[in-house]
Amino acid sequence: AQKITQTQPGMFVQEKEAVTLDCTYDTSDPSYGLFWYKQPSSGEMIFLIYQGSYDQQNATEGRYSLNFQKARKSANLVISASQLGDSAMYFCAMREDNYGQNFVFGPGTRLSVLP
Amino acid sequence: DVKVTQSSRYLVKRTGEKVFLECVQDMDHENMFWYRQDPGLGLRLIYFSYDVKMKEKGDIPEGYSVSREKKERFSLILESASTNQTSMYLCASGGGRRSRNTIYFGEGSWLTVV
Repeated sequence: AQKITQTQPGMFVQEKEAVTLDCTYDTSDPSYGLFWYKQPSSGEMIFLIYQGSYDQQNATEGRYSLNFQKARKSANLVISASQLGDSAMYFCAMREDNYGQNFVFGPGTRLSVLP
Repeated sequence: DVKVTQSSRYLVKRTGEKVFLECVQDMDHENMFWYRQDPGLGLRLIYFSYDVKMKEKGDIPEGYSVSREKKERFSLILESASTNQTSMYLCASGGGRRSRNTIYFGEGSWLTVV
């Protein structure tokens, strides 16, 4: 079964608008971490933001915020004030703390920012 | 800055050849990972290692093996390359249980098997 689901293969957003990229996860581990990465066309993977399962507040990093809804097992990435340079693939990932230390990734969402 | 270096950026190999992909990290990380990335499938874990000479199978280990003789180096081996192993391979290091630590990726190795 898929542990990370990203239901949006592709998204478009107008420059300067906000966009939400969806991520749902499946785990029975009470302790886990959720991560978002950006992969531009150059291929490098860039870490964006982290949310721990016990964190009370939603994580924020500059224009990135994570809308963490634990009961719904969702960890959506919100990008505010989109820029052309935000066009990339975005991956959601999870690390389960009691079931090994590997990182499981979703299939990704391709975001295109329109001028 | 953390540096994860993959030995080859682009390779073309023939079916049946033995292929070595090497990865070196300079941050003394215990954990190292090999993923393959295919369109629509995201990153799938092949193997990971949490210590020297230790390895764990990931989701798709068939057709691959790994070697970790030194802490900084994690090698992926395709014993007999096949065309369905044409893909991008990403090495990563870092992470840690119950930590905020991300994993850091190399630039990727594009392998084509003909």
